[in-house]
Amino acid sequence: EAEVAQSPRYKITEKSQAVAFWCDPISGHATLYWYRQILGQGPELLVQFQDESVVDDSQLPKDRFSAERLKGVDSTLKIQPAELGDSAMYLCASSFGEDSVYGYTFGSGTRLTVV
Amino acid sequence: GQQVMQIPQYQHVQEGEDFTTYCNSSTTLSNIQWYKQRPGGHPVFLIQLVKSGEVKKQKRLTFQFGEAKKNSSLHITATQTTDVGTYFCAGPLKSGYALNFGKGTSLLVTP
Repeated sequence: EAEVAQSPRYKITEKSQAVAFWCDPISGHATLYWYRQILGQGPELLVQFQDESVVDDSQLPKDRFSAERLKGVDSTLKIQPAELGDSAMYLCASSFGEDSVYGYTFGSGTRLTVV
Repeated sequence: GQQVMQIPQYQHVQEGEDFTTYCNSSTTLSNIQWYKQRPGGHPVFLIQLVKSGEVKKQKRLTFQFGEAKKNSSLHITATQTTDVGTYFCAGPLKSGYALNFGKGTSLLVTP
């Protein structure tokens, strides 16, 4: 069964340091999403890509977060500088489209702890 | 902020009892999706509902989409310990945009 690959699985970083997460979506999925999930909450959208273009990054804290999907395949999410409040699970998901009948396929996520 | 509301936040049942979670949106949705997240896991797609008043079943799970396409429910008949997890509803608040998730309902099933 096809999977969304994410790395690293866990990341511990000191505040004010830079951190990056990588995601490789399912082949053929044009739409890629980055979500942040705080413990006990639902996933919250950070950025949505359609191929290499950003569709929605209205919830991305652009002073410290950046995301790119240069060739329309894999994607990188970066935080610089990291703050204590950034500790969360960062989930990548992909789909055939935002309203695909097959839904979104999520990766296993990157658990970020900022100390 | 999230505009898809779910209740209850938690539910603890004895194995064999039924379980229902409710989802309400502040806006009309083109579709609504349900996901399950096991403890320590990631959300897994369960189903999508598109039509007003639609009802779909997956074994012991029954999903409904309201007539006004603003609310939905998930009902599990005769819960099992394998049903443990958090159930999220999600809908696109704007056409062409990504899913907005509710806060989820965490289900605990005691044998």
